[in-house]
Formats: sequence, structure tokens, C-alpha cells
Amino acid sequence: ETGVTQTPRHLVMGMTNKKSLKCEQHLGHNAMYWYKQSAKKPLELMFVYSLEERVENNSVPSRFSPECPNSSHLFLHLHTLQPEDSALYLCASSQVLAGFSSTDTQYFGPGTRLTVL
Amino acid sequence: KQEVTQIPAALSVPEGENLVLNCSFTDSAIYNLQWFRQDPGKGLTSLLLIQSSQREQTSGRLNASLDKSSGRSTLYIAASQPGDSATYLCAVSYRRALTFGSGTRLQVQP
Repeated sequence: ETGVTQTPRHLVMGMTNKKSLKCEQHLGHNAMYWYKQSAKKPLELMFVYSLEERVENNSVPSRFSPECPNSSHLFLHLHTLQPEDSALYLCASSQVLAGFSSTDTQYFGPGTRLTVL
Repeated sequence: KQEVTQIPAALSVPEGENLVLNCSFTDSAIYNLQWFRQDPGKGLTSLLLIQSSQREQTSGRLNASLDKSSGRSTLYIAASQPGDSATYLCAVSYRRALTFGSGTRLQVQP
């Protein structure tokens, strides 16, 4: 596998369920990101990790809990979600943390389409 | 707070037309500006990256310009093709993250 992979690609869950989204990057990058993309809204940054340390939590509700066990893997643990949390969740990685290089770009995974019933 | 605006929100053109997509941002303290392409239900693919010190970048039929002082960028697509149909997103690298616009949804009719 190359690039950034995300599993599952689609997820339907009830409001009381607990589930996790997984992201893996095969690029040797040091920074990883979670974004949320809702219908008709811009991509919203949720969390940023640099060298496995969380450096940004963009006012995300506690029902979303990220985990970065190593520089290649990023998880988003979900519990007690609301229907308005239904969205496409995108993972991305970059060689260096955004804002520290003028030439670095982010590589995105295909996303997990989440539906909360 | 950085805000990124893209106009138009949607665009439908016949094949072969040249077209311009616009992006504006409110804070000029950016490291770079990037244009991405997103196909329905999929992730983003980077098209062009313009460093804050640069004025433009070109890749094939795509040309992007940056006027940092006025907070504007344009993406020029020459001789559009049906395969160009997608959503085009503009993003600025600002304070540890990319800040995105809402995108322009492009449909190129054969």
C-alpha cells in the first residue's frame, strides 16, 4: 500500500455506539491530521499531531477522541455521536507540520463516510 | 482568524473553454497557497502549490497565480475537458494547518 489509507470507507452507527476510524500513512511523514467535511461547508481541521504529540485541538467536542500511537497511525475514536456529526472524515499527512515549510503539502486519504442514525 | 472564500461556488462550461476559478483569503501571513482537486466522495489531490514568495505555478493546462498582498489567487484551466469535472479547493497554510475554502464545483460538458 502506498500513500494514505483509511478504514473503514463507510460507517453507519447509532448514537449510543462506539466505533473507531483508522488512518495509516506509508510516506514516512511526521505530521498527521483529521479533518471533517460536512455538506456545503469547508473542510474543518479537527486535530493535528506532530511526531505523535497532539499540537492542535480545534475546539472539537469530547465525543471525538484522537489517538496517535506512532508516526504512521492515527485513530479517531467515536462515542455518543449526534446526527449532525454525519460527514466525510479525512485523514492527511505531511513531512513537516503545516506552517513550518513553504514547500510542503499534505497528502489525503480517501476518507470515511460516517452516517449517524 | 483566517477565512478563505471561493467564487463561483459552481460552474458549468462546454468542453474546450478556458476558465478561471477565484480564491481570496483574509490574512496575508501565509506560508503557501495550494489548489486541490476532489472527486465525489473521495479524498483530495494536490494540483499546485505556490510558496508565499512566488507569484505563480504551472502544471500542464493548469496555472495558478498568487497576489499575497491583496489576498487573492486564481486557478486558470486551459482547454477544459470532461475529465476536469470535480470540486476544486483552495487552501492556505496558516498557523499549523491548512485553511480551506468551500470549493468550486466544476462540470465540463462534452
